[in-house]
Amino acid sequence: KAGVTQTPRYLIKTRGQQVTLSCSPISGHRSVSWYQQTPGQGLQFLFEYFSETQRNKGNFPGRFSGRQFSNSRSEMNVSTLELGDSALYLCASSLELGSSYEQYFGPGTRLTVT
Amino acid sequence: AQRVTQPEKLLSVFKGAPVELKCNYSYSGSPELFWYVQYSRQRLQLLLRHISRESIKGFTADLNKGETSFHLKKPFAQEEDSAMYYCALSSRFSNAGNMLTFGGGTRLMVKP
Repeated sequence: KAGVTQTPRYLIKTRGQQVTLSCSPISGHRSVSWYQQTPGQGLQFLFEYFSETQRNKGNFPGRFSGRQFSNSRSEMNVSTLELGDSALYLCASSLELGSSYEQYFGPGTRLTVT
Repeated sequence: AQRVTQPEKLLSVFKGAPVELKCNYSYSGSPELFWYVQYSRQRLQLLLRHISRESIKGFTADLNKGETSFHLKKPFAQEEDSAMYYCALSSRFSNAGNMLTFGGGTRLMVKP
């Protein structure tokens, strides 16, 4: 099976702009989660989507939003970009088999805000 | 609130030496723990999960609920083990949702 894919891989934006990142999960996986990775804060949970519904959200401002489509593909959007939003954004998908919960990660989108 | 701590940012060992990457967690429920590895220029990938009690690439990890630890061990390090290692705790929500809480990561360098 193909792994989790994310587009674009690299992005440069200016403060105040907005950005949309895309994630295609592993075929058959219905749960998609997003994480932000920075040198200072490490890996932090943004939100999780399951069957087109946001199930959980991390401690991020409302400028960070997302959605999931019927084919489980997901997008995340960041509006009014700030310099501190520069990070690697990781998407992960999960099969949720039984009581175990394993997440498989994509390569990430590197966002630079100038 | 859940927390995962990896006290060492960098661990440097010689090839053939034993390796132990430390992980401590704080969680009020029944923990589900993982080790993820990120090799240079590769994506984050699952290495071990505690419920399977398996050995992958010679690595093992035992959950110690008394000490709230999930240390990763390998008896003989190889140069190809050089990578960034993350310990992660899975939290279950009442709506069946999940999230991973990651430690800060430990960079393992295996010298020849």
